[in-house]
Amino acid sequence: DTAVSQTPKYLVTQMGNDKSIKCEQNLGHDTMYWYKQDSKKFLKIMFSYNNKELIINETVPNRFSPKSPDKAHLNLHINSLELGDSAVYFCASSRRVGGAGTDTQYFGPGTRLTVL
Amino acid sequence: RKEVEQDPGPFNVPEGATVAFNCTYSNSASQSFFWYRQDCRKEPKLLMSVYSSGNEDGRFTAQLNRASQYISLLIRDSKLSDSATYLCVVKRGSQGNLIFGKGTKLSVKP
Repeated sequence: DTAVSQTPKYLVTQMGNDKSIKCEQNLGHDTMYWYKQDSKKFLKIMFSYNNKELIINETVPNRFSPKSPDKAHLNLHINSLELGDSAVYFCASSRRVGGAGTDTQYFGPGTRLTVL
Repeated sequence: RKEVEQDPGPFNVPEGATVAFNCTYSNSASQSFFWYRQDCRKEPKLLMSVYSSGNEDGRFTAQLNRASQYISLLIRDSKLSDSATYLCVVKRGSQGNLIFGKGTKLSVKP
């Protein structure tokens, strides 16, 4: 009964490959996010989707393309992987976006991507 | 300058100690404030929200000073299980974009 799940947990691949990370939440939340945590442990927002609609797209190379087939899923596809893409990618979800609410974001366990 | 800055740490304290973490944020339009905890190789988890009036949850006390754009977390009677990285988090604007500090690592020793 995991709230936010991601697959795979570990991903090791060669430079230039294309890979996808999947995320699913069973909390009934409307909003989902992708974060990147680099080797210096800085956690940064990449994308946010609300009810399958993109609402936040931070400065991320267009090799990264999120896809939300429904509001319980937000997948991340990465084309032409580079060494600098090595990081831990966290998916998260929250009940809603907007307003001054303090809705908690629940994070998935992370996907550790290593690009060789 | 980073939008959210924290004490660099690490903090190494004995069990039972009181430890305080500080955080400053640069965007005065920030709306909501939190402390998250991240264990080694795990995901961040919400520890507590931070309110202007200050709030307490057991051994944890959080304070917010909007005028100084300063947030603090006090942990009393530290336990071994408190060892983790504590992330200061600020919610920017109405779209719920969370900005994370780099985190302060706490090690509680027996």
